[in-house]
Amino acid sequence: QAVVTQEPSLTVSPGGTVTLTCGSSLGPVTSGLHPSWIQQRPGQAPTTLIYDTDNKLSWTPGRFSGSLLGGKAALTLSGAQAGDEAVYYCLLSYSVDRRVFGGGTRLTVL
Amino acid sequence: QVQLVESRGGVVQPQGSLRLSCTASAFAFSNMHWVRQAPGKGLEWLAIIGSDRTTKFYADSVKGRFTISRDSSDNTLFLQMNSLRLEDTAVYYCATDKEWAFEYWGQGTLVTVSS
Repeated sequence: QAVVTQEPSLTVSPGGTVTLTCGSSLGPVTSGLHPSWIQQRPGQAPTTLIYDTDNKLSWTPGRFSGSLLGGKAALTLSGAQAGDEAVYYCLLSYSVDRRVFGGGTRLTVL
Repeated sequence: QVQLVESRGGVVQPQGSLRLSCTASAFAFSNMHWVRQAPGKGLEWLAIIGSDRTTKFYADSVKGRFTISRDSSDNTLFLQMNSLRLEDTAVYYCATDKEWAFEYWGQGTLVTVSS
């Protein structure tokens, strides 16, 4: 059973840069796991920001970017804003019927 | 902007059944998913259905109890939930597929399993 790990919480200063990571208990995260990143603001439905490692959707702000970093998937936020406070989930797709979310990273902009 | 609207959930007793629906405002999509979120917890992928309406896959937690389907117009997605358990209490989201990820999400509907 795969376990996807994320930092439970991170804090970034307004205008600052922060990197969230996403690891797999089964080994290094590669593009073959098609990592994606989902933002969930309090009381709202999730919104996907990044898919297939580093691809943005039309609504993804330019300050968000995805990558692979040291065997993990990474979401970097450059120029954090108060509205970026949310829980960010990573999703790894091991197979068509095994898609596992991480536990989420609660990001505070302070 | 595409909108996905889930039907109202509700309260159901353990071992009971409930069917959720999700209607798309625009054209039919290829693959579609159901994802849930227990109160105060993270997201859990549940099921996917292909555009052929016959290709279906499920998470182990719901396999044999839940059935995903879609209607012939491809504008409505369903989740038939049987043998419901207390741990199935969650907000249920439908979502469209985008290259191993989710593109558009519904607003979610709360299903409470309680005696």
